[in-house]
Amino acid sequence: QKEVEQNSGPLSVPEGAIASLNCTYSDRGSQSFFWYRQYSGKSPELIMSIYSNGDKEDGRFTAQLNKASQYVSLLIRDSQPSDSATYLCAITGQGAQKLVFGQGTRLTINP
Amino acid sequence: SAVISQKPSRDICQRGTSLTIQCQVDSQVTMMFWYRQQPGQSLTLIATANQGSEATYESGFVIDKFPISRPNLTFSTLTVSNMSPEDSSIYLCSVEGGEARDYLYNEQFFGPGTRLTVL
Repeated sequence: QKEVEQNSGPLSVPEGAIASLNCTYSDRGSQSFFWYRQYSGKSPELIMSIYSNGDKEDGRFTAQLNKASQYVSLLIRDSQPSDSATYLCAITGQGAQKLVFGQGTRLTINP
Repeated sequence: SAVISQKPSRDICQRGTSLTIQCQVDSQVTMMFWYRQQPGQSLTLIATANQGSEATYESGFVIDKFPISRPNLTFSTLTVSNMSPEDSSIYLCSVEGGEARDYLYNEQFFGPGTRLTVL
């Protein structure tokens, strides 16, 4: 089992709809959870961090964490074509500072 | 967050040669990280570089192949040695940093990357 798993997609969502991206992880001791956005040919850009169970909202983005079920998700409301990118889930384990990345989900927003 | 630059942004190299990639940060940071992103793949950590100590390598990466220097708190280099086509990747450095309240929580920010092609 991979440490961090994401559906590679592609995920296609119409403009204005909600895009839902999911990530599961295997290490119950994981402490910090991140979502990065990566445009083609660019480096990853941190868009959300979440550390506690529940929801965290930032503009059109909402991160959701459920440690009991070992999943973290990212919701993008009012999706725009500019949201089309690969979204990477990354996690740090207990006592560790290194990031472990999922394979990424390619998201396409259709006008 | 810190501003991170990398040099070169891209290079095409011949098999058997070595390339040194530089990473410069505009503020002092304790930890710097080097990642590799192979074509169509996600990111894999190569090593963690702390100033004043030897780099810590992840499983599958060795110092002879990927020597790292960390001479001060704003700079690091990664050398890809004796290159083969399998080393063709994007190499990224990252640093921890952000608002003070987040510093304990391992947020990492990435440089623009170095795209390496080995022929």
